[in-house]
Amino acid sequence: AQSVTQLGSHVSVSEGALVLLRCNYSSSVPPYLFWYVQYPNQGLQLLLKYTSAATLVKGINGFEAEFKKSETSFHLTKPSAHMSDAAEYFCAVRVIQGAQKLVFGQGTRLTINP
Amino acid sequence: GAGVSQSPSNKVTEKGKDVELRCDPISGHTALYWYRQSLGQGLEFLIYFQGNSAPDKSGLPSDRFSAERTGGSVSTLTIQRTQQEDSAVYLCASSLRPVGQETQYFGPGTRLLVL
Repeated sequence: AQSVTQLGSHVSVSEGALVLLRCNYSSSVPPYLFWYVQYPNQGLQLLLKYTSAATLVKGINGFEAEFKKSETSFHLTKPSAHMSDAAEYFCAVRVIQGAQKLVFGQGTRLTINP
Repeated sequence: GAGVSQSPSNKVTEKGKDVELRCDPISGHTALYWYRQSLGQGLEFLIYFQGNSAPDKSGLPSDRFSAERTGGSVSTLTIQRTQQEDSAVYLCASSLRPVGQETQYFGPGTRLLVL
């Protein structure tokens, strides 16, 4: 069964510092991986997705993620944090059988300190 | 273009009452998904529609939960005899096709509180 694990339920960084949110996946087949962001009282917005075209994926708002098969990881990074990045971030893997549903990690709440 | 919309945005109900939650997917999207977001369980899959059919209902937590989709568009999630543990945010998502690389676009959710 496919699953994801997000390391760290809370991450706090200073404005201008590097943002690193960790995600490890488990899948017996090449996965489709997604990062979503959720702002307070809003739905989920896609940041980026990995679909095997390229291992380094660039997304919106300056975020990017690198797929590393050897490490079964898909960590999300941003070189310089902005106050507006404060939100909850979810990593998800697509189950490729049947419903093609998304299986989500537990989420990481990102706080930006001024 | 218009995104996924859900109504109501908030719903407060008394234990034992029935509730209906509505989802309007993006026009032309054939696949529709319901998820539930709660503090204890995180984000969990409930049900999937392809057109008007629901080939995967495996995430529905009990027979008090049901859903339908009509005209390949609007979907309604119904919870009968609500319980306090049903309190959560119910999210709807749609995608153009139900294939791995297609993006699922999410609505803003319905926040359900059962008193």
